[in-house]
Amino acid sequence: AQSVTQLDSQVPVFEEAPVELRCNYSSSVSVYLFWYVQYPNQGLQLLLKYLSGSTLVKGINGFEAEFNKSQTSFHLRKPSVHISDTAEYFCAVSDYGGATNKLIFGTGTLLAVQP
Amino acid sequence: GAVVSQHPSRVICKSGTSVKIECRSLDFQATTMFWYRQFPKKSLMLMATSNEGSKATYEQGVEKDKFLINHASLTLSTLTVTSAHPEDSSFYICSARVEYETQYFGPGTRLLVL
Repeated sequence: AQSVTQLDSQVPVFEEAPVELRCNYSSSVSVYLFWYVQYPNQGLQLLLKYLSGSTLVKGINGFEAEFNKSQTSFHLRKPSVHISDTAEYFCAVSDYGGATNKLIFGTGTLLAVQP
Repeated sequence: GAVVSQHPSRVICKSGTSVKIECRSLDFQATTMFWYRQFPKKSLMLMATSNEGSKATYEQGVEKDKFLINHASLTLSTLTVTSAHPEDSSFYICSARVEYETQYFGPGTRLLVL
């Protein structure tokens, strides 16, 4: 069975500072990895995904993530955050080649950008 | 592309009534849709996987008679909360699978049962 751990429930950061949101996963098979963002009272928006190939993945809104197989991590980074980046961020994993490709979500990290 | 809509966005109902939530893929066909439930400040909990033309697959602990799912076409799945009670109040989100591995999510439906 797969699982996802987001150790930081909340990350406060000042505007224009860099940020890293941590995500670790466990799985006995190859996986696909995703980051989603959720703004208040809205659904989830796909930020980026890792399926295969280059371990550095670039997404929307200036975010990027790096897949590290040896450390089973998929941390999300942004070099300079804006107030508008304040939202809940979810890391998710699905099994490669699984029949239904269910997504298993982490518990989320609230990114709180302060002026 | 890959836009998913939900209707209604918010619904308030009396205890004991049934509520239907629609999930539509607007610009693509989705053979598989998923229904999630999200509690305040919590992660998403998968309730069921909805496949077009067949019965939904429910996750362990989800009452299939309580949460009826119908996926009658390639662009529409519905979730009906039957005989709703206050404990069913929650944020319900659907997603549709595009390509083999990626899900795109709807904007969610806030259900409040009085």
